Amino acid sequence: SQQGEEDPQALSIQEGENATMNCSYKTSINNLQWYRQNSGRGLVHLILIRSNEREKHSGRLRVTLDTSKKSSSLLITASRAADTASYFCATDVESGYSTLTFGKGTMLLVSP
Amino acid sequence: SQTIHQWPATLVQPVGSPLSLECTVEGTSNPNLYWYRQAAGRGLQLLFYSVGIGQISSEVPQNLSASRPQDRQFILSSKKLLLSDSGFYLCAFSSGGAGGETQYFGPGTRLLVL
Repeated sequence: SQQGEEDPQALSIQEGENATMNCSYKTSINNLQWYRQNSGRGLVHLILIRSNEREKHSGRLRVTLDTSKKSSSLLITASRAADTASYFCATDVESGYSTLTFGKGTMLLVSP
Repeated sequence: SQTIHQWPATLVQPVGSPLSLECTVEGTSNPNLYWYRQAAGRGLQLLFYSVGIGQISSEVPQNLSASRPQDRQFILSSKKLLLSDSGFYLCAFSSGGAGGETQYFGPGTRLLVL
């Protein structure tokens, strides 16, 4: 089964509103990352939060991590139509050489 | 600066034909390299990764193979394509280390097997 699972699968909001996406995972991690993918394009890294961090900001992005609940959230404030994309969380496991495991993503639609 | 290239961008191939997708990285040495496949509306499935020249790890048994003939070149191949091989193929790299770090993705190749 997937290590990371995003929720909701799809989110539709108006410009200016905030968008919140959640990610849950199963095993202990070293870090959790969020990526964005515009339709038909490659993924773009947004932010990385390590297991010993609880919150991180980058511009209009705010990521939280709760390792006790094995969950993370991505908040996009004051959303814009250009934020329309799919958002994926990715986790690595806490042992040996680690690859990233991606969730199925949240598709965000921001309407003007 | 670090860049990653993939080609071709799109490919339509008949069932049973061979496949070769190429990925090259610039601006970094000894990167970790990855091949993913993304089915429509789905997440990414890791197919292969490589931590060095000639070193390939396979995550999913299938009719695909990967090779790393040079430090910054990663090739995905198949001798005979199946219909189920259709999808969006993404190459990515990370700057070495023990894995789990930020990955940088290429633009992808959309493969349609008919």
